[in-house]
Amino acid sequence: KNQVEQSPQSLIILEGKNCTLQCNYTVSPFSNLRWYKQDTGRGPVSLTIMTFSENTKSNGRYTATLDADTKQSSLHITASQLSDSASYICVVSPTVNTGTASKLTFGTGTRLQVTL
Amino acid sequence: GAVVSQHPSWVICKSGTSVKIECRSLDFQATTMFWYRQFPKQSLMLMATSNEGSKATYEQGVEKDKFLINHASLTLSTLTVTSAHPEDSSFYICSARDRQGGTEAFFGQGTRLTVV
Repeated sequence: KNQVEQSPQSLIILEGKNCTLQCNYTVSPFSNLRWYKQDTGRGPVSLTIMTFSENTKSNGRYTATLDADTKQSSLHITASQLSDSASYICVVSPTVNTGTASKLTFGTGTRLQVTL
Repeated sequence: GAVVSQHPSWVICKSGTSVKIECRSLDFQATTMFWYRQFPKQSLMLMATSNEGSKATYEQGVEKDKFLINHASLTLSTLTVTSAHPEDSSFYICSARDRQGGTEAFFGQGTRLTVV
């Protein structure tokens, strides 16, 4: 069964600090990996998307890395802000997108809380 | 980026009534839309895949007669929860993929359904 495991389950950090979230997956064949930010009571918002050939991708203070050999990805948040408090979800697309629907496999998410 | 609008954002209904949720792609055409359900502190769970002009494909365990999906146009899909009961209370999220293909899936802001 294709799975996406995220760690830690939850994390509390002080404002201004950095943090790294982990994602391990067993989805195969693998097309792309995405990181989403989901605020409470809102839909997920895309942060980064990487194909299997990409190792890193940045979006402002968010930097995602991907190691397709070990099937691991990380999301690094730099200089955290209170507004970064949210759930961060790792999502893997299991098939090569040909314009038809392919099911996404969602991780359970990491709940990040940034405090003063 | 592409915008997916979901309406309403929240709804409270009496047990036994039906509720319709709309999902619109505002600036792109989506031949495929996805409906998810999310319980508190859990990941998104795919309910069904909605294909424009054809019947939806439901995931195992999802009652198609209870969760009616209509995808009548390239920009609109609707989910109707029929004869709602308190256990149907949840957060419902749609996503849409651009007709032109690509690897992105754009999510709506979600609908909080409370059945009393």
